[in-house]
Amino acid sequence: NAGVTQTPKFRVLKTGQSMTLLCAQDMNHEYMYWYRQDPGMGLRLIHYSVGEGTTAKGEVPDGYNVSRLKKQNFLLGLESAAPSQTSVYFCASSFGGQAWDGYTFGSGTRLTVV
Amino acid sequence: GDSVTQMEGPVTLSEEAFLTINCTYTATGYPSLFWYVQYPGEGLQLLLKATKADDKGSNKGFEATYRKETTSFHLEKGSVQVSDSAVYFCALSRTGNQFYFGTGTSLTVIP
Repeated sequence: NAGVTQTPKFRVLKTGQSMTLLCAQDMNHEYMYWYRQDPGMGLRLIHYSVGEGTTAKGEVPDGYNVSRLKKQNFLLGLESAAPSQTSVYFCASSFGGQAWDGYTFGSGTRLTVV
Repeated sequence: GDSVTQMEGPVTLSEEAFLTINCTYTATGYPSLFWYVQYPGEGLQLLLKATKADDKGSNKGFEATYRKETTSFHLEKGSVQVSDSAVYFCALSRTGNQFYFGTGTSLTVIP
């Protein structure tokens, strides 16, 4: 099934541990995004990429790093996890920068930091 | 700044009931408005959109009208089905490359 695939789907980390979330899309989309969703808040943009080899900060980038070494993959890294990073993380992609027809989203990664 | 406020959930309805999920927005200029839906275990999908005032977006029996005078984009469906159980997100964008999402409203439809 074409679309956006996120791995893993669930993860529990201890404070201070590191991990990488992988987002892969097979639609040849240029733009990719990482969002986080927290209770009582809407989705907030962490980082995004406008093409292979590029990354840019979104609304809440602190504590995260990203890389886009290949067009189809967008990685989100947590170097030293904190309980405040407990959240559901969504990756999305779009063909162009103006996604009037909407993004294609992955099914999310539920991360708990204890 | 731009923002979206949508009604708190969860919402529980019986099958064939009428659905309204309220959404209001704050934005400068003339944003486009969207409703996304997230079915259990899946990613968000675009449900419908409206790009200018008085436009009505519709899809799968859902409708929403862009009301500039009340800065609203309420989602409605005349007769919900069990298969409509999902989380619904209202969103806006002025540029097409930055979206502002509401908090999501969980809907459960019982037979």
